[in-house]
Amino acid sequence: QVQLQESGPGLVKPSETLSLTCTVSGYSISSGYYWGWIRQPPGKGLEWIGSIYHSGSTYYNPSLKSRVTISVDTSKNQFSLKLSSVTAADTAVYYCARDPRAPYYFDYWGQGTLVTVSS
Amino acid sequence: DIQMTQSPSSLSASVGDRVTITCQASQDISNYLNWYQQKPGKAPKLLIYDASNLETGVPSRFSGSGSGTDFTFTISSLQPEDIATYYCQQYDNLLTFTFGPGTKVDIK
Repeated sequence: QVQLQESGPGLVKPSETLSLTCTVSGYSISSGYYWGWIRQPPGKGLEWIGSIYHSGSTYYNPSLKSRVTISVDTSKNQFSLKLSSVTAADTAVYYCARDPRAPYYFDYWGQGTLVTVSS
Repeated sequence: DIQMTQSPSSLSASVGDRVTITCQASQDISNYLNWYQQKPGKAPKLLIYDASNLETGVPSRFSGSGSGTDFTFTISSLQPEDIATYYCQQYDNLLTFTFGPGTKVDIK
């Protein structure tokens, strides 16, 4: 069974960089598929951040592109998110998920991790 | 950018009722439309992909239809465990995803 688990700091200061990692189990990232990040501010809807292929090819939400970097480490079966220059508006639950095709749908999701931006 | 709207934003229905949610795209997206269910405190769950295909393991009371700009999601007989927020999501050839604002479904 494919499982995804987000990890990283739950509190980030304004203007700093948010960094999260998603660890995948039950499936080798090197075997294929795309891997994405989605976020959800408290009480609000879902926003796709960006996605990456195992080869390292990336595509990002145009509204966040200037601040987002997604990378993959196939040796650890992980992929990561960095979001720079964060503000309170970046406070959200961050999910990692699998996309069988770029783009298509997200069929496996992590449980999500809340990141709060505050001094 | 393609914008997605959903209606209603919330609804209350009785157990056994037929529930219908609509999703509209700002331009033609063919059948590039998926539906998710999200229960409080949980990650979204894929229910329908490509507008009308039921994801494996999802109960048959859930269905979807539509193409172009107008789409419909239906629960044929609402069950207590269906209490959740439902989101549509489009994908396009520009390699972007957009989610609708969501529809919250409650039991009356």
